Amino acid sequence: ETGVTQSPTHLIKTRGQQVTLRCSSQSGHNTVSWYQQALGQGPQFIFQYYREEENGRGNFPPRFSGLQFPNYSSELNVNALELDDSALYLCASSLGQEAFFGQGTRLTVV
Amino acid sequence: TQLLEQSPQFLSIQEGENLTVYCNSSSVFSSLQWYRQEPGEGPVLLVTVVTGGEVKKLKRLTFQFGDARKDSSLHITAAQPGDTGLYLCAANIRAYKLSFGAGTTVTVRA
Repeated sequence: ETGVTQSPTHLIKTRGQQVTLRCSSQSGHNTVSWYQQALGQGPQFIFQYYREEENGRGNFPPRFSGLQFPNYSSELNVNALELDDSALYLCASSLGQEAFFGQGTRLTVV
Repeated sequence: TQLLEQSPQFLSIQEGENLTVYCNSSSVFSSLQWYRQEPGEGPVLLVTVVTGGEVKKLKRLTFQFGDARKDSSLHITAAQPGDTGLYLCAANIRAYKLSFGAGTTVTVRA
């Protein structure tokens, strides 16, 4: 139990739709990172938020966007969904080098 | 190309046997982390190694960081079915980003 909670746990969307995934970080952690994990692969860094500002971004297109709120919870938004967006989306909160991951949201795009 | 190369990709052994998983790179890292991920869950941090040549033990798991800080290994002694999972190595590429290997899927048969 890491104290990081993601919702929903599973989601099915149609190609072209938009989706919002949510993450509640561990108490006191001011940094939230989002990762995409395709089947059979390691997680790939999407972006990180620190104190409500984007603090770094991986190699993902602008249709992947995010927010962090004053209570440090976070959202990941994906517009114009594509079939290849089907993956496990992981949120990790941290207060230094060590990251604590949530259980993930399994997104299926059909 | 992956920054961190893990081998083997899959490993299936009998309960009681030993196993070793490798994580290699041509880059030098200030630290490496090992995670275990079970189906439907997020990765859970097992250990962080920071000093070249360092060896850390966690019960039946032994982690080693190469002298040149480019590679690492995870050795499990007398594996048990509870050790089954996806083992991931990861490195901090920038202050905000973890880069993961593709992972090694370990199956321990009872």
